[in-house]
Amino acid sequence: GDSVTQMEGPVTLSEEAFLTINCTYTATGYPSLFWYVQYPGEGLQLLLKATKADDKGSNKGFEATYRKETTSFHLEKGSVQVSDSAVYFCALPNQAGTALIFGKGTTLSVSS
Amino acid sequence: EAQVTQNPRYLITVTGKKLTVTCSQNMNHEYMSWYRQDPGLGLRQIYYSMNVEVTDKGDVPEGYKVSRKEKRNFPLILESPSPNQTSLYFCASRITGIGNSPLHFGNGTRLTVT
Repeated sequence: GDSVTQMEGPVTLSEEAFLTINCTYTATGYPSLFWYVQYPGEGLQLLLKATKADDKGSNKGFEATYRKETTSFHLEKGSVQVSDSAVYFCALPNQAGTALIFGKGTTLSVSS
Repeated sequence: EAQVTQNPRYLITVTGKKLTVTCSQNMNHEYMSWYRQDPGLGLRQIYYSMNVEVTDKGDVPEGYKVSRKEKRNFPLILESPSPNQTSLYFCASRITGIGNSPLHFGNGTRLTVT
């Protein structure tokens, strides 16, 4: 079945460091791909999405490119801030479109 | 403000005592869903609803019930809670039943069953 695999965390970085969180997926067809972020004590929020191959989603300095060839959707940011500390989830819809399949989440901790 | 509101945020109860977690959205979304989040397991879907009076099981429905009598509300009912239902629960909604639409999440309900 469809699935999402994310790199295990936690990821610990200093402020202004470059961030990459890897995400690969297995899916039938070419579903939309999502990154969600969960700040402490809050629900998940959509960070960015891409709807087709080679699309680049971007928001708040974060970017991810839908790579059909490598079935990947890696999240990147050029210069992280302390306020980016959160849990990040990669996700895609199941085949029926009735649920999102989430990766297990990657915890990012940024120190000043 | 567009939002999904869950109540309560925290709940401690005892085994077997029926409880309801409420969820309401003000965005006129057709689709609503419940997830539970557990360490090492990520988020798993419990139930979903494509529209009023239409509900269906997700991946982990055992021990839960839901209802969708109105478009805005989608309560989660635990008739006889057990300790393995201790978890962080999220309600979510989106504009249509099409999977490509983004989900809007509530802030979560942390349930502890002793």
